[in-house]
Amino acid sequence: GQQVMQIPQYQHVQEGEDFTTYCNSSTTLSNIQWYKQRPGGHPVFLIQLVKSGEVKKQKRLTFQFGEAKKNSSLHITATQTTDVGTYFCADSSGGSNYKLTFGKGTLLTVNP
Amino acid sequence: DADVTQTPRNRITKTGKRIMLECSQTKGHDRMYWYRQDPGLGLRLIYYSFDVKDINKGEISDGYSVSRQAQAKFSLSLESAIPNQTALYFCATSDPGQGAGGELFFGEGSRLTVL
Repeated sequence: GQQVMQIPQYQHVQEGEDFTTYCNSSTTLSNIQWYKQRPGGHPVFLIQLVKSGEVKKQKRLTFQFGEAKKNSSLHITATQTTDVGTYFCADSSGGSNYKLTFGKGTLLTVNP
Repeated sequence: DADVTQTPRNRITKTGKRIMLECSQTKGHDRMYWYRQDPGLGLRLIYYSFDVKDINKGEISDGYSVSRQAQAKFSLSLESAIPNQTALYFCATSDPGQGAGGELFFGEGSRLTVL
């Protein structure tokens, strides 16, 4: 699979502030999945983006797939302490839809 | 009960010992995976299996082997453990015919420490 670069590596915010993590690739991605891992937990699937320019929302979370399908972002509006965790993007452009290559993740901490 | 179960959850062992991490699932998925997680490095694929007769190396398979004993069981072995194999190991399953397609369902993880 190809490399997906995820930034920032860490982000600390005050509760109520917004948060964004970015996933970038030098080549075109087939689709992007996003996962959340709570401290001490296991990764849990959030969403999959497939189409160029796609935007999906889940309550305070907004997921975008770039027009060129080379980048994606996850934006959280008005963070809460329950948002704490590591957010991973994962690419399945390695010729198969079933072998994901994960970014290194963004660790979000929220100060109450 | 968890759909994807890993045993043991924690193991401390010594350099040179053989270790087996086991994974079983009740989701009925054909595809199973072993990932390794290290701080700051994300999740890296060790091995994956699309069915009982199919085993494939991932990006970091050296020093590891796997066995797919049945559709529901996928074991990861370290024949001779070394300290840099200290990590958190995750088993995962997927079935693109259901849900979002390709979504991975992870086990709770097995934390391995090699002294």
